[in-house]
Amino acid sequence: AQSVTQLGSHVSVSEGALVLLRCNYSSSVPPYLFWYVQYPNQGLQLLLKYTTGATLVKGINGFEAEFKKSETSFHLTKPSAHMSDAAEYFCAVSEWGGGNKLTFGTGTQLKVEL
Amino acid sequence: DAGVIQSPRHEVTEMGQEVTLRCKPISGHNSLFWYRQTMMRGLELLIYFNNNVPIDDSGMPEDRFSAKMPNASFSTLKIQPSEPRDSAVYFCASSSGTAPGQFFGPGTRLTVL
Repeated sequence: AQSVTQLGSHVSVSEGALVLLRCNYSSSVPPYLFWYVQYPNQGLQLLLKYTTGATLVKGINGFEAEFKKSETSFHLTKPSAHMSDAAEYFCAVSEWGGGNKLTFGTGTQLKVEL
Repeated sequence: DAGVIQSPRHEVTEMGQEVTLRCKPISGHNSLFWYRQTMMRGLELLIYFNNNVPIDDSGMPEDRFSAKMPNASFSTLKIQPSEPRDSAVYFCASSSGTAPGQFFGPGTRLTVL
């Protein structure tokens, strides 16, 4: 069975500061990993995904994540936070061939302060 | 290209009434997922279809909930009778058999009075 743990349900950063959102996963097979962002009153939008190949993945809006198999982690980072980054972020894992079913973490609410 | 389309975007109904939520997946996608999101329970997978066939409905909360996918371009989630505790945002998502990841619709905000 797969699972995802997001450390910190709420994270607060200053505008211009580094954003680091943590995600650890559990999977019995090589995983596919995803980060989604949800802005208020909107659906979930795919930020980035890791499938195979390069372990550092770049996504939209300046975000990136690194797949670390030894640490079973897929942390999301952005060098400089912007007010518009305030949203909820979800990490998810899937197994290829499993009908693309995703297992989501509980989400991290990012607050960006002036 | 159009994304996942859901209707209605907002629904307010009274307890005991039937509610039908609709979803049109992205053209060419062969998997469709229904989720429910609440503050208390977060994001829950209710049911998903592969090639119009229900694969896993273990997340459907009770018999009041039913979902159908009569063809590749349309799915419904029905609640009959509705109860106040069904109030939530319901999302539909679709995915392709050739690439991992799901694409979400904008959601339907359901309020049951």
